[in-house]
Amino acid sequence: NAGVTQTPKFRILKIGQSMTLQCAQDMNHNYMYWYRQDPGMGLKLIYYSVGAGITDKGEVPNGYNVSRSTTEDFPLRLELAAPSQTSVYFCASSYERRGQGEGYTFGSGTRLTVV
Amino acid sequence: AQKVTQAQTEISVVEKEDVTLDCVYETRDTTYYLFWYKQPPSGELVFLIRRNSFDEQNEISGRYSWNFQKSTSSFNFTITASQVVDSAVYFCALSAVEYSGGGADGLTFGKGTHLIIQP
Repeated sequence: NAGVTQTPKFRILKIGQSMTLQCAQDMNHNYMYWYRQDPGMGLKLIYYSVGAGITDKGEVPNGYNVSRSTTEDFPLRLELAAPSQTSVYFCASSYERRGQGEGYTFGSGTRLTVV
Repeated sequence: AQKVTQAQTEISVVEKEDVTLDCVYETRDTTYYLFWYKQPPSGELVFLIRRNSFDEQNEISGRYSWNFQKSTSSFNFTITASQVVDSAVYFCALSAVEYSGGGADGLTFGKGTHLIIQP
């Protein structure tokens, strides 16, 4: 019953450091997404992927990079961490576009603090 | 562009009261899905319901009910006889792909309504 697995759960970064947030799903879902949630705000889409080798920008992509070399994994890379990237990050996946069928499956989130 | 508006930032009621959370959406797509998620203090997102744009039937699940009205672009959520365990942030979200104007896949979320149920 793994679903979507995000690691780490918590992380503190110093300004200018880099890190990769990991996301893996074992449901053979085509679509994967990265969202960020700032305090008092809804989730905003950072990047998404419609399949291995294909990625595209969402609403707030600046400061992030992604790759999708396999169906299962969709890592999110922060190159030069800034305080504005302090947030909770959620990874999600779906088998079909628009969340038809089984809908969306969300990971448990990564709480990132940049100091 | 797609948009979801949850005008109620915070609602506080006493236990056993009924409470309605409002959600208004905008999309140019004719086929779309609407969702409600619950985010308890522990932080995970809990799926509550999905409704497609062709199904305007209201739905009831225990103490929860949802009213979808395309004419007003609203998808409101009512909790009957609220309980302390219902305290959480509730998000309304829209999934649509506006082929005419581009747009990303994935969900567009409202800002959420923080529901506080006082004992």
